[in-house]
Amino acid sequence: DVKVTQSSRYLVKRTGEKVFLECVQDMDHENMFWYRQDPGLGLRLIYFSYDVKMKEKGDIPEGYSVSREKKERFSLILESASTNQTSMYLCASTIFRGTEAFFGQGTRLTVV
Amino acid sequence: EDKVVQSPLSLVVHEGDTVTLNCSYEVTNFRSLLWYKQEKKAPTFLFMLTSSGIEKKSGRLSSILDKKELFSILNITATQTGDSAVYLCAVEALGSGGSNYKLTFGKGTLLTVNP
Repeated sequence: DVKVTQSSRYLVKRTGEKVFLECVQDMDHENMFWYRQDPGLGLRLIYFSYDVKMKEKGDIPEGYSVSREKKERFSLILESASTNQTSMYLCASTIFRGTEAFFGQGTRLTVV
Repeated sequence: EDKVVQSPLSLVVHEGDTVTLNCSYEVTNFRSLLWYKQEKKAPTFLFMLTSSGIEKKSGRLSSILDKKELFSILNITATQTGDSAVYLCAVEALGSGGSNYKLTFGKGTLLTVNP
């Protein structure tokens, strides 16, 4: 079975902190995605990556950056956390375009 | 900007009812449409529909894709309480960079099946 693992299930951070959310997949998938999910807004794409060191902005990249130094790992970085970044963050991966996405279990981030 | 619109946003039915969930989209260079079920955890995959596979069925669930009218429906027959979940529609289409495909989700339909 494909496994997508996010480093934390729950995280509480202070405003202004730099926050790293890690995602690792174990099936050599090409594409990886970071979404945030908020009530009434659904899943919104923050960034995605189609290859090592390659990234592309999604629909709401402001306040976020990403890193993909190795194929299996895709990190989401909040440079200076703010309370409006309190959300559920979901990582997903696909082996190639045109295939289903597999999701991690999600990280519920609270910024206080 | 790509748009994926699901309707209704929420729905309450009784066990045994049949439900139809809708998903319409406006995207550049459509590639596929996917349906997911999300309970209190990460979404799980249900179906993928492409131009070469516009109808899928699995048990009580079925889905069709109308590429001309740019929509898809997800049907659930003889609903059960275990079908209660958020159903997400996602469309794979070309990203704004023009060379890579991204997955855009709708807001979801919250289905509640009462006994």
